[in-house]
Amino acid sequence: GAVVSQHPSWVICKSGTSVKIECRSLDFQATTMFWYRQFPKQSLMLMATSNEGSKATYEQGVEKDKFLINHASLTLSTLTVTSAHPEDSSFYICSASTGGAYGYTFGSGTRLTVV
Amino acid sequence: GENVEQHPSTLSVQEGDSAVIKCTYSDSASNYFPWYKQELGKRPQLIIDIRSNVGEKKDQRIAVTLNKTAKHFSLHITETQPEDSAVYFCAPGVGSEKLVFGKGTKLTVNP
Repeated sequence: GAVVSQHPSWVICKSGTSVKIECRSLDFQATTMFWYRQFPKQSLMLMATSNEGSKATYEQGVEKDKFLINHASLTLSTLTVTSAHPEDSSFYICSASTGGAYGYTFGSGTRLTVV
Repeated sequence: GENVEQHPSTLSVQEGDSAVIKCTYSDSASNYFPWYKQELGKRPQLIIDIRSNVGEKKDQRIAVTLNKTAKHFSLHITETQPEDSAVYFCAPGVGSEKLVFGKGTKLTVNP
């Protein structure tokens, strides 16, 4: 079945630094990838939708200059949290869609802790 | 945009009992209705889904029913087991567009 690899699985960084999270579709081409954030005991909140070769579409309230998304190929999307602060500490999960199908495959998630 | 409500927020049942979780949505264009199970610290796992041209779907102990007129769909788990304990999310969507997740239901199955 479709597999999405997400790295790193966890990261601790200092406040003010940037962190990059990668999301790769291993055995299929992902025309669309989604980035979610999940705070403890809360639901998954969509941050942005990225389509290969075009700019990401951000949800209301999500700072596009702080959460940089790049979808340079059909198998790779990256999320960079710039100038991270403790309030950015969260569980970040990507999911990929093949487009036109009803299947979404989630990455394993990245636990970000900003100290 | 889609407004999703999920009830109840917590559900505790005895092993062997049935559990039902309901999800209501607002976007009449929604045509894809999945349920996800998420264990602590892990990714959501799709457990069952249904499309708008079908009213009910069953997979062993799990079933999903859809009422498009009333804009709600429900997850039914029969003969619950302790390993069913997790947080369950509904996430209605339109085709391959973004999914909007409900707030989740924490299911606890007591042995």
